Amino acid sequence: EAGVTQSPTHLIKTRGQQATLRCSPISGHTSVYWYQQALGLGLQFLLWYDEGEERNRGNFPPRFSGRQFPNYSSELNVNALELEDSALYLCASTPRTYGYTFGSGTRLTVV
Amino acid sequence: AQSVTQPDIHITVSEGASLELRCNYSYGATPYLFWYVQSPGQGLQLLLKYFSGDTLVQGIKGFEAEFKRSQSSFNLRKPSVHWSDAAEYFCAVGPGGSQGNLIFGKGTKLSVKP
Repeated sequence: EAGVTQSPTHLIKTRGQQATLRCSPISGHTSVYWYQQALGLGLQFLLWYDEGEERNRGNFPPRFSGRQFPNYSSELNVNALELEDSALYLCASTPRTYGYTFGSGTRLTVV
Repeated sequence: AQSVTQPDIHITVSEGASLELRCNYSYGATPYLFWYVQSPGQGLQLLLKYFSGDTLVQGIKGFEAEFKRSQSSFNLRKPSVHWSDAAEYFCAVGPGGSQGNLIFGKGTKLSVKP
């Protein structure tokens, strides 16, 4: 069984640009969660998608947005990038019951 | 407010020694509790989880954790640490009875001395 796949592995952007991060969940998993892991801050919850709908959102500005596609894959968009957006972005998928499986993450660097 | 506290930022133990990583949580409802491990540059791997029932939970790689409701704690233990256990460990809490986002502690980095 393939795990959660995130792309790209690394992404370097300039301040003010937009970044798009992608996540493919495990087959059969309908929920996708996005977390930001910045140095020294632990994992901060960003967004939760289930069945194509945004179910919950963490305490992040609106320039962090995303969507979930009919095949349950998801993308995270970060607009107007700031230096402090540099972090590891982790995606996790779950089936209808509990059981997060995390991807290896996308390392976003804003310069 | 819902939160998870891991009081130890960094712990160093000798290989073969026992290990206990502390986790305290604050949560309004009955929580689901988790421990994850993260190796450098990798995602998180689930070690064990507690939903209900026996308060001593066994996980992978020889880890176990004990849920103590009166102390709002869910400490992770291992009787004998291996060098390959060096990693960062995260405790997390989530809403019981349904899906939802997890709240993570800031992590404890484990170093293992030979």
